[in-house]
Amino acid sequence: AQKVTQAQTEISVVEKEDVTLDCVYETRDTTYYLFWYKQPPSGELVFLIRRNSFDEQNEISGRYSWNFQKSTSSFNFTITASQVVDSAVYFCALSEVAGFGNEKLTFGTGTRLTIIP
Amino acid sequence: DTEVTQTPKHLVMGMTNKKSLKCEQHMGHRAMYWYKQKAKKPPELMFVYSYEKLSINESVPSRFSPECPNSSLLNLHLHALQPEDSALYLCASSPAQQSEWNTEAFFGQGTRLTVV
Repeated sequence: AQKVTQAQTEISVVEKEDVTLDCVYETRDTTYYLFWYKQPPSGELVFLIRRNSFDEQNEISGRYSWNFQKSTSSFNFTITASQVVDSAVYFCALSEVAGFGNEKLTFGTGTRLTIIP
Repeated sequence: DTEVTQTPKHLVMGMTNKKSLKCEQHMGHRAMYWYKQKAKKPPELMFVYSYEKLSINESVPSRFSPECPNSSLLNLHLHALQPEDSALYLCASSPAQQSEWNTEAFFGQGTRLTVV
């Protein structure tokens, strides 16, 4: 069974500080995909990144960066120079191919990030 | 158009009511999903439709009845719900073709359901 663990339930940092959100996953699949989603108070899940299991290259997108380490089954997310608009719940997720191209996303429990002005 | 539109945004219903949640997308996606999210919990998969056919039912109680009338629409019919069914119901869509799957699933804003 697949499992995603986000050990940090809540994090608060002062604006402009850097913050890292941790994600550890478990799967028996050799091919899998990892995701990060942002959920602001309005409720929708906003896609941030997808990474496949064969690509361990780290990625940077503006103030966001992701560190994928297969050896430790971790896919951590760092926000540099945080802003108040970054306040949200962040979910790490693992996808499993369920047949006929369907995906089952298994979500972690989420990390509530609060940026203090 | 990369939107998944859900209506209504908020719904309050009694335990004897029948109501429906609607979801629409025009991205040509042939896989559509219903997720349920309780307060302060992650989303949990309920149903998956692939090419308008139900492919996954995660042991959801029969008081929830999904329907996919065409490739753009997904409904969730509700009947005789319980207060513990109060949650945010999220619809999502993604490509179902093997060359395209495992791209991100696009989520709607959800319907906040309260059962009284």
